[in-house]
Amino acid sequence: QKEVEQDPGPLSVPEGAIVSLNCTYSNSAFQYFMWYRQYSRKGPELLMYTYSSGNKEDGRFTAQVDKSSKYISLFIRDSQPSDSATYLCAMSEGSGGGADGLTFGKGTHLIIQP
Amino acid sequence: DVKVTQSSRYLVKRTGEKVFLECVQDMDHENMFWYRQDPGLGLRLIYFSYDVKMKEKGDIPEGYSVSREKKERFSLILESASTNQTSMYLCASSLLYSNQPQHFGDGTRLSIL
Repeated sequence: QKEVEQDPGPLSVPEGAIVSLNCTYSNSAFQYFMWYRQYSRKGPELLMYTYSSGNKEDGRFTAQVDKSSKYISLFIRDSQPSDSATYLCAMSEGSGGGADGLTFGKGTHLIIQP
Repeated sequence: DVKVTQSSRYLVKRTGEKVFLECVQDMDHENMFWYRQDPGLGLRLIYFSYDVKMKEKGDIPEGYSVSREKKERFSLILESASTNQTSMYLCASSLLYSNQPQHFGDGTRLSIL
């Protein structure tokens, strides 16, 4: 089973707040985890790429993976109106050929209120 | 930076027409993918290709075909367009291995009337 669950939102928070976006999954074989940001009428763009459990930080963004709980998070600090977008999580089992590819969540719509 | 270019941002076609959507990537990626994205349904994989002239069905291949004659170009073909194929179509590319992140184009919003 390859389901990935993600709350569709919308999630509305005031500017400057810390945002927490989450995905849960059922396939314990997932090892590679990604977060994409998608603005309206644009394609998804890669934000974060992590392997296995732990944290990864990039500027205002932190990706966290808890494989024991099958739970991943994306934190956005000092949120800005320009962060308003849909955020999709994606994950993959391993390094085989492209047959399996990525499994995507359906996305969470985030709104940062000025 | 990887650039994935889709030939049209918006396209309007009529029922029964044969429709071609084109995608080009400039990073010498082995894998290329076609998805459609619909509200509430997320991204659904139509077809992908891991090499020239190679193709594999995704989750929803019915009513579609693909062509990959050159490594950088991947075409999606709607053989006989129907109204239920009105959607946002996204092309992506990645390096060969399945753990590699995919890089997306900006999509083609296709309306079938």
